[in-house]
Amino acid sequence: RKEVEQDPGPFNVPEGATVAFNCTYSNSASQSFFWYRQDCRKEPKLLMSVYSSGNEDGRFTAQLNRASQYISLLIRDSKLSDSATYLCVVNTPGRGSTLGRLYFGRGTQLTVWP
Amino acid sequence: EAGVVQSPRYKIIEKKQPVAFWCNPISGHNTLYWYRQNLGQGPELLIRYENEEAVDDSQLPKDRFSAERLKGVDSTLKIQPAELGDSAVYLCASSYSGDEQYFGPGTRLTVT
Repeated sequence: RKEVEQDPGPFNVPEGATVAFNCTYSNSASQSFFWYRQDCRKEPKLLMSVYSSGNEDGRFTAQLNRASQYISLLIRDSKLSDSATYLCVVNTPGRGSTLGRLYFGRGTQLTVWP
Repeated sequence: EAGVVQSPRYKIIEKKQPVAFWCNPISGHNTLYWYRQNLGQGPELLIRYENEEAVDDSQLPKDRFSAERLKGVDSTLKIQPAELGDSAVYLCASSYSGDEQYFGPGTRLTVT
């Protein structure tokens, strides 16, 4: 079973739409959670961390449900520039150090059209 | 501030040939990571260094892959010999004590 599962999409939405992505993780010992954004043929970049209480950054809202091992990302008022792949990322304790290891989902592809 | 630097950006080699990738992390970042990203997949960790020590190399195929970070700064990842299945993007990332990871632009490897 993969550490992180996400629907690869693609999601095609018009400008101004609200879109939500979800992912699940398998290891209940996972400690921290993130959404990364990756543009086509570019490197991943941190979009936001995800906290149990939920957190918001402008048009982006992230939620974590530890009981269900479920993470979500909501994008409101979609812009053309939001078109990218969104990677769900989980930090799970591993061998060697207390830092753990990041496990990436395969990403969900979003295209926002005019 | 300069970001993570990787070279080369692209490499095409024939199978069974050796190849090496170089990474220079962000200044002051003590943790360095090598990832491999296949098409349509998320990055997968190959090896993590804390300073010059490899602390997590369980996913590194040690029969053909090797890595070093001799002075705890820049790092080299080598494949010898390369196989067709090694075609992927090899990403280097760095962080300061496990905080946010910053990725380099990657090396796109094609093995023919």
